[in-house]
Amino acid sequence: QVQLVESGGGVVQPGRSLRLSCAASGFIFRSFTMHWVRQAPGKGLEWVAVILFDGSNENYADSVKGRFTISRDNSKNTLYLQMNSLRAEDTAVYYCARVMIGGHGAFDIWGQGTMVTVSS
Amino acid sequence: AIQMTQSPSSLSASVGDRVTITCRASQGIRSDLGWYQQKPGEAPKLLIYAASNLQSGVPSRISGSGSGTDFTLTISGLQPEDFATYYCLQDYNYPRTFGQGTKVEIK
Repeated sequence: QVQLVESGGGVVQPGRSLRLSCAASGFIFRSFTMHWVRQAPGKGLEWVAVILFDGSNENYADSVKGRFTISRDNSKNTLYLQMNSLRAEDTAVYYCARVMIGGHGAFDIWGQGTMVTVSS
Repeated sequence: AIQMTQSPSSLSASVGDRVTITCRASQGIRSDLGWYQQKPGEAPKLLIYAASNLQSGVPSRISGSGSGTDFTLTISGLQPEDFATYYCLQDYNYPRTFGQGTKVEIK
């Protein structure tokens, strides 16, 4: 079935790096634009980054610009989020999400999320 | 960045009630808005896309309307499974921005 599975979360010290992965299955991954969205504990949803279906363009929230890099490997059906210079305020559940085709950019499939905790 | 102002932040309602949640954009976003439902410990779920289109599998008691700057999510005949937090998301431009969320609780 159509599925996104995130991994790579954990506890990391401030200033360190972490790479998240999002494995896609059940659909033609290379045809879909993909996003990362995060949610700090007890807070609302915050958009993080987007990458076009072919990896040709990316965009970032100001809060992560210059520190986070979104990428994808269409041969491995996998989306990534490289997070550098992590801060306490990056602590959140990170979700990957697929943009539905013909849906004006709506996110029709979400992963279950992976927790990132930035703490000394 | 476009600001999405969602109201109310929370509401209490009973099973069978009609519930309305609004989202206002700081500038016109055509019909480029989606509504999402999130239950505790779960990922968000798409309910409505392009302001008024019901996502496949979503019950017809849920509807969306609006364009430009003002949007509404309506649940007609609230069911126990509808108690959750709801978010709007503009997909007009970048950065994408969510509303603050509306928690629908049992009265």
